[in-house]
Amino acid sequence: SQQGEEDPQALSIQEGENATMNCSYKTSINNLQWYRQNSGRGLVHLILIRSNEREKHSGRLRVTLDTSKKSSSLLITASRAADTASYFCATDANDYKLSFGAGTTVTVRA
Amino acid sequence: ETGVTQTPRHLVMGMTNKKSLKCEQHLGHNAMYWYKQSAKKPLELMFVYNFKEQTENNSVPSRFSPECPNSSHLFLHLHTLQPEDSALYLCASSPRDRGQTEAFFGQGTRLTVV
Repeated sequence: SQQGEEDPQALSIQEGENATMNCSYKTSINNLQWYRQNSGRGLVHLILIRSNEREKHSGRLRVTLDTSKKSSSLLITASRAADTASYFCATDANDYKLSFGAGTTVTVRA
Repeated sequence: ETGVTQTPRHLVMGMTNKKSLKCEQHLGHNAMYWYKQSAKKPLELMFVYNFKEQTENNSVPSRFSPECPNSSHLFLHLHTLQPEDSALYLCASSPRDRGQTEAFFGQGTRLTVV
C-alpha cells in the first residue's frame, strides 16, 4: 500500500537553481529513503535518513525529516541537466517492505 | 549498474501467451522484490522473498506467479494477462539480514500486453 506521497508532482527549474520536493507519509517508520529514476529505468538509491535523525547531507543533496509532521524534504542544490529525473521517497517500517510514492518529476532547463 | 539484472528489457505479449520475467543478483542479498510501476502511480509492491521464502503477496492476481529457486534468482511467470497489466516491472534486492534496508533495483522489464 502507498505510504509516501511526494509534492509537487512536477517541477521545472533553471540550471543552477535549487530544487525542493516534499514527502508525506502516514505511519511510523524506521527510516525514509530517497531514490532517483531516469526515464524508464530502474531506481537508484540516493540517501537514507533514520527516524532519529533530523537532517542529512550527501554531496549536493540535503534531506530533512520531521517525524512529528510525518514529512521529509529533499533539496538538490545547484541543479544540473543531469539531475533531470523522477524522485521518489520510500518509507521503511522494518517489515521487509519499502513503500513508495508516485514521485516528483524534475526537469532542469539549460 | 546496481548488480541486479533483469531480462528481457522489453516484452510484448498477447493475452493468451505465457511468458516469464527473470531477475538475477549476485550481491549476496537475502531479500528480493517484485514491483509494478504504472504511469503516474506509486510503485506497487507485488511480492517479497526472504532467502527464497515468500513473505509477502500483496493481493496480486493469480495470473502473476512468482518463483524463487534460490536466493540469487527470482522469476515472475505471466499468463492470460490483461492490457491493464502493461507496465514497467522492477525487481529489487536488499541485504536485510545485514541490517541494511536500501534497495538495489534492476533496469526493469517494460511489458506491453496486446
